[in-house]
Amino acid sequence: GESVGLHLPTLSVQEGDNSIINCAYSNSASDYFIWYKQESGKGPQFIIDIRSNMDKRQGQRVTVLLNKTVKHLSLQIAATQPGDSAVYFCAENMRGYNKLIFGAGTRLAVHP
Amino acid sequence: GAVVSQHPSWVICKSGTSVKIECRSLDFQATTMFWYRQFPKQSLMLMATSNEGSKATYEQGVEKDKFLINHASLTLSTLTVTSAHPEDSSFYICSAGRLLNTEAFFGQGTRLTVV
Repeated sequence: GESVGLHLPTLSVQEGDNSIINCAYSNSASDYFIWYKQESGKGPQFIIDIRSNMDKRQGQRVTVLLNKTVKHLSLQIAATQPGDSAVYFCAENMRGYNKLIFGAGTRLAVHP
Repeated sequence: GAVVSQHPSWVICKSGTSVKIECRSLDFQATTMFWYRQFPKQSLMLMATSNEGSKATYEQGVEKDKFLINHASLTLSTLTVTSAHPEDSSFYICSAGRLLNTEAFFGQGTRLTVV
């Protein structure tokens, strides 16, 4: 869904299902991307990263896909668990600039 | 993984006063630290990039005289919110990196409430 005003888009899934969270990044010069998980009142927690010379990277229960043609990033979480409930942000690092720019975020709500 | 510690985790201050937030890299040397601000239900907005031994680089729209950043050592950066107003109430988060294009490690954040 689109991010409108102050409301984060929410993805609701059943426990055990797979989740796909999408992100459109802004700059074609970005060459490094990270997915972060943020729980309420805490700082972002690293999940997985990918460089622009790759289109897919897998971790434990998570997969990140990168489509540079349309500047799109996705995070797939397999067998989603209640502990996965959080807000997920993608972040991009522009080549030559040592800083991360965060996307709007998606709230993942996992229901038993 | 590397640990970044922020202090305090929360603070309440009166309007017009100044508040200092510390960000420390506990087990690595961080040549660069970043300060973000996050309002409720919104994303992290980069405020400034702090380089050890030099002036911070502020993002457009961030007042450098209001948000003073000092990065005096390779393990410590501080953000001072001067003459705080209620609209400065927010969640402030720092991160630290070791090299360009590697994972940035985040602190646990500081909840600032200005009354």
